[in-house]
Amino acid sequence: DIQMTQSPSSLSASVGDRVTITCRASQNIANSLNWYQQRPGRAPKLLIYAASSLQGGVPPRFSGSGSGTDFTLTINSLEPDDFATYYCQQDYSPQPYTFGQGTMLEI
Amino acid sequence: QVQLVESGGGVVQFGRSLRLSCVASGFTFSGYAMHWIRQAPGKGLEWVTVISHDASYSHSRDSVKGRFTITRDNSKNTLYLQMNSLRADDSAVYYCVGSSNNYFDYWGRGTLVTVSS
Repeated sequence: DIQMTQSPSSLSASVGDRVTITCRASQNIANSLNWYQQRPGRAPKLLIYAASSLQGGVPPRFSGSGSGTDFTLTINSLEPDDFATYYCQQDYSPQPYTFGQGTMLEI
Repeated sequence: QVQLVESGGGVVQFGRSLRLSCVASGFTFSGYAMHWIRQAPGKGLEWVTVISHDASYSHSRDSVKGRFTITRDNSKNTLYLQMNSLRADDSAVYYCVGSSNNYFDYWGRGTLVTVSS
C-alpha cells in the first residue's frame, strides 16, 4: 500500500492568515493526489484533484502543488469556514486508495 | 442538486450482518463508479470498496475481502454494501461516494455502524 503522511497533524492559525499543509507519499505517485476538507460533523468535500486542479465551486484562495512524492495545500486569507480537517488522498494505486491521517486546522 | 442518502446503519452484534443502502439523485448514477469509505469515531478516512459504473468490476481492501460485498442497481439509482461477520474494528460512519475519475466527487452524509460485543 502507498502510505500518505501529512504534516503537521494540527495547526493553529487566525482569520486572514496563509497556511500550508504538506503531504508526502511513500513512493512516486506523479500528480495523482487529491485534497479534501471535512468540517466537524460533515462529510468530506473535494477541494483539489490531480494535485493542482481546483474543483468547481471551490474558492481560489485554495491551491495545490507538487508532484512525485511531495505535495502542498495552501490556503490564502483564511476565513472562518476554513477551520476544518484536511486530508490528502492518492489515486495512483487504487488497490487500495489511501488517505493521509488528516491535518486539523484550528483557530 | 446531487444527493446521496445512506441508510441501514445501526448497532449490531459482533459476528452478525448488516446491509447498507445508498440512494442517489441529481447526477447520472450509472455513469459513476461508486465507493464506500468509512471513518471510525475520531479517526481518519479509510477507503473500503468500489464498484464500477456498470457493475462489471469491484474490489475491496484486504481487511474486508470475503466479508463485505458491494453491489448496485442502476435502474434504482441505488448502491448497497452487504457486511457479514462484523468485527469491532468495522465500527464507523460509512459514506457512500461517487467518483467520475479516481477522486471522490460526491459524498453522502454517512450512516453509523456500531459493532458491539
